[in-house]
Amino acid sequence: KAGVTQTPRYLIKTRGQQVTLSCSPISGHRSVSWYQQTPGQGLQFLFEYFSETQRNKGNFPGRFSGRQFSNSRSEMNVSTLELGDSALYLCASSDPSGDLYGYTFGSGTRLTVV
Amino acid sequence: DQQVKQNSPSLSVQEGRISILNCDYTNSMFDYFLWYKKYPAEGPTFLISISSIKDKNEDGRFTVFLNKSAKHLSLHIVPSQPGDSAVYFCAARRVGINKFYFGSGTKLNVKP
Repeated sequence: KAGVTQTPRYLIKTRGQQVTLSCSPISGHRSVSWYQQTPGQGLQFLFEYFSETQRNKGNFPGRFSGRQFSNSRSEMNVSTLELGDSALYLCASSDPSGDLYGYTFGSGTRLTVV
Repeated sequence: DQQVKQNSPSLSVQEGRISILNCDYTNSMFDYFLWYKKYPAEGPTFLISISSIKDKNEDGRFTVFLNKSAKHLSLHIVPSQPGDSAVYFCAARRVGINKFYFGSGTKLNVKP
């Protein structure tokens, strides 16, 4: 089955602009999580959506937001971009129907803010 | 709040030898732990997991050990191969919450 698809793969934006990233999860997975990866910081949790509702949230400012559609596809939006927002943004889908499960990650969107 | 820590940013090992990657955590509520491998320009891929009710899990060349009293887990790769060269992340989850805390990663270099 198809994996997690993130678009676009690369993006260059100017400070102050906003950006929208897209993620299509594995078919049947209803949970989509977003992570930010920066050098030396590992993966920082942004938020998780499940059945169109934000279920968990990390410690990021309100400029970072997301949503999930009825087909489980998710978008992440960052407004008023700052240079420090330059990072790899990873989307992961999961099927938390069992006790033990993990994520399947997409290849990420590399965002560069100039 | 860095609840999962990987204190070694890098590790270099000779092909055929054992690679040991370490991870420490602070939250005693974590009940499920995973290791991911990441190549450049790709997303992390799941490697192996362990539940808090176990202290060891094996999958081929990969073994994860969990020491709950020390809040420490380790990944052993035996024998190491050049294709194992990648960044390895450990991750942990609290009971009932689908949110994983990741370490900052360890870059493994396996020399031929």
